[in-house]
Amino acid sequence: NAGVTQTPKFQVLKTGQSMTLQCAQDMNHNSMYWYRQDPGMGLRLIYYSASEGTTDKGEVPNGYNVSRLNKREFSLRLESAAPSQTSVYFCASSLTGDQGNEQFFGPGTRLTVL
Amino acid sequence: GNSVTQMEGPVTLSEEAFLTINCTYTATGYPSLFWYVQYPGEGLQLLLKATKADDKGSNKGFEATYRKETTSFHLEKGSVQVSDSAVYFCALRRLTGGGNKLTFGTGTQLKVEL
Repeated sequence: NAGVTQTPKFQVLKTGQSMTLQCAQDMNHNSMYWYRQDPGMGLRLIYYSASEGTTDKGEVPNGYNVSRLNKREFSLRLESAAPSQTSVYFCASSLTGDQGNEQFFGPGTRLTVL
Repeated sequence: GNSVTQMEGPVTLSEEAFLTINCTYTATGYPSLFWYVQYPGEGLQLLLKATKADDKGSNKGFEATYRKETTSFHLEKGSVQVSDSAVYFCALRRLTGGGNKLTFGTGTQLKVEL
C-alpha cells in the first residue's frame, strides 16, 4: 500500500496563477483532509471531506476550493495564488467516527508563491 | 473552542538525556489526545494516543498520560537518541458532525546531539 500520496512535491507559482494539488489514498478511508503548515503555527485545517460527496470548511478556507473526486481522491485548488499561500500543504485521511482515531498523512507539497 | 498549547522549541538535548515536552489543552467534553512526529522532509506520523482520562499512550520508548485534572498530555522519554530529532506535535480530536477534525499545537522541534 502506498498510503497517502500527494503531487506535486514542490511548486513555484507567480501571484495570480492557479493550480491544483492532488491527493489520493489507498486505505479505503472515508474521510480526507487538507492542512497547511506554517512556521510557528502548527497545522491548520483548510477543508475536509467526511465522506465521499461531502466537503466542509475548516479553520482557514479562504482562497481555496476542494473537490472530492471519488472515495480515493481529494484535490485542493488555488484559483488565484497569493504570497500568503506560500506554505507546506499536507493531505491526510482517516476512518470515520470512533474508528477514526488516527489520521494518515501524505509527504506534503511545498508551495512558493512569488 | 478547542486549543492545544505546547512548549516552544527548539529543545536541544544530549544523547541519553531525559525528555519532557509539555502539552496542555482546552476542550469541552472528553477529547482524544495524540502526539504526532514529523521527521525532516516528511509528513506527520502518529507516535501515540490516549482516548480517555488516565490512559497512558506509549510507543518507541515515548510515553504520555492523559491527565484530565490538569488538562495535560506531556510527552516523555527516558533516554533520547539522535534519531529522535524531529518536530513533535500535540493534538486533540473532538468528534463532530462530520469527520474527525484534529486541533494541533504549534509543534516543538527536538534536536539531539552526540
